[in-house]
Amino acid sequence: SAVISQKPSRDICQRGTSLTIQCQVDSQVTMMFWYRQQPGQSLTLIATANQGSEATYESGFVIDKFPISRPNLTFSTLTVSNMSPEDSSIYLCSVDAADGPETYGYTFGSGTRLTVV
Amino acid sequence: ILNVEQSPQSLHVQEGDSTNFTCSFPSSNFYALHWYRWETAKSPEALFVMTLNGDEKKKGRISATLNTKEGYSYLYIKGSQPEDSATYLCAFERDSNYQLIWGAGTKLIIKP
Repeated sequence: SAVISQKPSRDICQRGTSLTIQCQVDSQVTMMFWYRQQPGQSLTLIATANQGSEATYESGFVIDKFPISRPNLTFSTLTVSNMSPEDSSIYLCSVDAADGPETYGYTFGSGTRLTVV
Repeated sequence: ILNVEQSPQSLHVQEGDSTNFTCSFPSSNFYALHWYRWETAKSPEALFVMTLNGDEKKKGRISATLNTKEGYSYLYIKGSQPEDSATYLCAFERDSNYQLIWGAGTKLIIKP
């Protein structure tokens, strides 16, 4: 299955600033997914990023707050803009397994633990 | 509203004992049920993807069952070891649209 390198692994940021999280995959993948897990909550899908088109955002998430880039089939970034303490979460990127997520599930990055102060 | 519930929220188990926990999900528009293990400071790791009612899958000491008609799945761990300590997440996949709805997880702590 694919291997994802996600960075940074953690950061402490001032409110009002922005942080860009990167995910590099060791193989070409069609779809990349960005998730958030707020403390004590379930993983929540922020958006799905396809190469060459705008990301598709889930209800409650907007492009101005979470702009996403997908310049090629192995790389994506998520920016958390104008941060507030409520953005403190673990952010994860994910891709579908090369041979189909129905068999092997999804592969995840190691996560970015963000604390906004 | 689509809801995936996992219970218990956390579980302390003595090393060597067996344990199990539950994932409940909507029984309509079922496509697949995923189980993942998430150890601290690591990536969530896929354990099983289950699609057929009555299916049972096994990976070493860990196994899972699926009942799509009543909307639940059990994860079993036999002879728990310290390395089994992790949060176990289940996710419901609806209608093959690649969107997973996640439970909040069961945090398993194995006491030596």
